[in-house]
Amino acid sequence: QPVLTQSSSASASLGSSVKLTCTLSSGHSSYIIAWHQQQPGKAPRYLMKLEGSGSYNKGSGVPDRFSGSSSGADRYLTISNLHSEDEADYYCETWDSNSWVFGGGTKLTVL
Amino acid sequence: QLQLQESGPGLVKPSETLSLTCTVSGGSISSSSYYWGWIRQPPGKGLEWIGSIYYSGSTYYNPSLKSRVTISVDTSKNQFSLKLSSVTAADTAVYYCARRWGAAIDYWGQGTLVTVSS
Repeated sequence: QPVLTQSSSASASLGSSVKLTCTLSSGHSSYIIAWHQQQPGKAPRYLMKLEGSGSYNKGSGVPDRFSGSSSGADRYLTISNLHSEDEADYYCETWDSNSWVFGGGTKLTVL
Repeated sequence: QLQLQESGPGLVKPSETLSLTCTVSGGSISSSSYYWGWIRQPPGKGLEWIGSIYYSGSTYYNPSLKSRVTISVDTSKNQFSLKLSSVTAADTAVYYCARRWGAAIDYWGQGTLVTVSS
């Protein structure tokens, strides 16, 4: 079963860009993952599905500022032109053999 | 627009059974394209998958919770349910229901806080 590793925290300035990383464990580098955003006090929200090729499909209503990319076992979420409402926890997740697997989440602070 | 709504008691006594229901609206739970699942989040912590179910009734559980978890589906009511037995304070969490479409969870419920306390 894959393990998803995320940095616990990240920070970036208002209006700048930030790139969050989710790393798949050895032997699972081809896996598709999904990114979710959880604003304070709210339920998670689906952002996008991201393949190992770097191809991604965003959920309905997700701003163009959000994009995805991949390199080997790493899956990235890039947020451009940071807004204050982007301050949130970001989780990656995947699926394997009917088990759902989550990363530990990255807390993004917008300075 | 698909919506998922959790319902059930917000307070459960230690050693008792936690019971929650997720009602799906705006779409059919009987579609062969989706899996339906329960996920929880203890206060201040990350997300933990509890288990999931297919419309046919096939179930899949987190090994760490398997001995205490039962998930069932009622296609006539477009609902699926969670039962977690022998709860302790460690089971205090916000419980979410969600839909999986292929490789991604694409819809989440709003979540419901369940506190285990006497």
